[in-house]
Amino acid sequence: GAVVSQHPSWVICKSGTSVKIECRSLDFQATTMFWYRQFPKQSLMLMATSNEGSKATYEQGVEKDKFLINHASLTLSTLTVTSAHPEDSSFYICSARDLDGGEQFFGPGTRLTVL
Amino acid sequence: AQKVTQAQTEISVVEKEDVTLDCVYETRDTTYYLFWYKQPPSGELVFLIRRNSFDEQNEISGRYSWNFQKSTSSFNFTITASQVVDSAVYFCALEPSGNTPLVFGKGTRLSVIA
Repeated sequence: GAVVSQHPSWVICKSGTSVKIECRSLDFQATTMFWYRQFPKQSLMLMATSNEGSKATYEQGVEKDKFLINHASLTLSTLTVTSAHPEDSSFYICSARDLDGGEQFFGPGTRLTVL
Repeated sequence: AQKVTQAQTEISVVEKEDVTLDCVYETRDTTYYLFWYKQPPSGELVFLIRRNSFDEQNEISGRYSWNFQKSTSSFNFTITASQVVDSAVYFCALEPSGNTPLVFGKGTRLSVIA
């Protein structure tokens, strides 16, 4: 089956630093990847849609200058949380849409803790 | 508007009981997909089922079964003879037609007590 990986699986950082999270489709190509955020005991909320070779589309209320998304290839999208603060602590999950079949597959998530 | 409602926030059952998790969705699209995911404490989403809007057949997979009824816009999930390992948060999700992200319900936290 299709596999999506995320790296790192967890990260702890100091307030004010930047953190980069990678989302890779391992055995398929994805022109579109989605980034979700999940706070404790809440559902997944879409942050942005990442399209290969073009600018990401952000959901209302998500600061594009704070959450930088780069989708440089058909297998990799990165989310950089710039100047992270404790309120950015969350579980970040990506999904990748298979170019051929159209199905979406989820990564295992990255747990970010900002001290 | 696309929306998924999981009215049950938390459910607690005793092991071996059957339990049904409700899911009601809203969409104006004629073609869409419905999903159920399990999220154990580790956080990773575990895919359970994907159902096309044109396929209303009920599905059974081991102890799991799904009842899809377009007339009531519901896609309910039943676990038969529940086990402690079934304890998790379960999400119902909708994928509208086109290159769109999934819309998730708020999830139902299931606790199965031994």
